[in-house]
Amino acid sequence: DAGVIQSPRHEVTEMGQEVTLRCKPISGHDYLFWYRQTMMRGLELLIYFNNNVPIDDSGMPEDRFSAKMPNASFSTLKIQPSEPRDSAVYFCASSFQTGGKTEAFFGQGTRLTVV
Amino acid sequence: AQSVTQLDSQVPVFEEAPVELRCNYSSSVSVYLFWYVQYPNQGLQLLLKYLSGSTLVKGINGFEAEFNKSQTSFHLRKPSVHISDTAEYFCAVSVDNRGGKLIFGQGTELSVKP
Repeated sequence: DAGVIQSPRHEVTEMGQEVTLRCKPISGHDYLFWYRQTMMRGLELLIYFNNNVPIDDSGMPEDRFSAKMPNASFSTLKIQPSEPRDSAVYFCASSFQTGGKTEAFFGQGTRLTVV
Repeated sequence: AQSVTQLDSQVPVFEEAPVELRCNYSSSVSVYLFWYVQYPNQGLQLLLKYLSGSTLVKGINGFEAEFNKSQTSFHLRKPSVHISDTAEYFCAVSVDNRGGKLIFGQGTELSVKP
């Protein structure tokens, strides 16, 4: 398996523009997580899905952020409008819960710069 | 609420020396504990995890960690480090076994010098 695939790897956008980050989880995984990493706040869980259904979005910072998972193989994180303080590395992770074997596999991340 | 504290933000060490990266957690319920490694410009890779059973957990790349419930600690150790171990290390806690709903510490930057 190719692992969790995120695109783009790098994104530079102007303040006020819409940004869409994409994630393809590992096939067969039933949980998907979106994390954000910044120097100030470290790694924070934004939202997670189980079987394509959002379970907990309490980490989403503002209404400007939204996430969807239309099917088991694709998820998006959208920021509209973007602001400079949204600059961060965004990670997607997926996991499969069975027999106590739990592990989250992380993608390479998308480095977002809002200027 | 759960929280994780990594006691050292940076740990410099010479090659082939032993190293310990410290992690303490707070939780009022049973937890699952993880150590992840992040190489520059990469995602996070699982080193090891404690779910239950033996308190000494062995992971990849020669790392091990010991779960100490009374001291609420989960320190990571390696008896002899290599240059290639230079990376950032994250301790994380989960209160369920979903494996991905994690609360991370702030990270420890391990720098191995020749």
